[in-house]
Amino acid sequence: AQTVTQSQPEMSVQEAETVTLSCTYDTSESDYYLFWYKQPPSRQMILVIRQEAYKQQNATENRFSVNFQKAAKSFSLKISDSQLGDAAMYFCAYYGANSKLTFGKGITLSVRP
Amino acid sequence: ETGVTQTPRHLVMGMTNKKSLKCEQHLGHNAMYWYKQSAKKPLELMFVYNFKEQTENNSVPSRFSPECPNSSHLFLHLHTLQPEDSALYLCASSQELLSGNEQFFGPGTRLTVL
Repeated sequence: AQTVTQSQPEMSVQEAETVTLSCTYDTSESDYYLFWYKQPPSRQMILVIRQEAYKQQNATENRFSVNFQKAAKSFSLKISDSQLGDAAMYFCAYYGANSKLTFGKGITLSVRP
Repeated sequence: ETGVTQTPRHLVMGMTNKKSLKCEQHLGHNAMYWYKQSAKKPLELMFVYNFKEQTENNSVPSRFSPECPNSSHLFLHLHTLQPEDSALYLCASSQELLSGNEQFFGPGTRLTVL
């Protein structure tokens, strides 16, 4: 079975600085999808960024980008120019052949003004 | 309303009560999901429905009973729950099941079992 590991429970970043959230996963599949979801306090979970494993190019969405290392099974999220609204729980997730989304435990990101 | 909505947002129930959680999606999606979110644990997939048919029951106890009358509505019927069932229950939907489409989540129902 696939597993997703987010080893850091909490991180903090200064406003306007850059922060990287780490995620590793374990799989024997070659074709899959990886996601980062954001869950603000008391608000709905929303998709931040999506990566298709067969694409070598790292996905980018405005201030959010990933560092996808397929051989190392690593999928980190970089947030540039951090804003107060980025404070949330961030979940890394894996989607594979079993058609299930497997989540990590999440990381709580706080942004210092 | 747009997106995925869930009612109620908060629910407190005794172990002998029967209650239902409701989810509605306004996105025209064909797949719907129930997840359980507990503190310090990854989201746990409970049930999956595709075109109103249940395709996944992730070893969920029978005190949780899902119902999907149509592609837009999903219910979770609860009876004789345990205190350890207290959690945030999230509903989600996606365009299709067998693809890496984005899942859209509702705000969740915060359930407390006394």
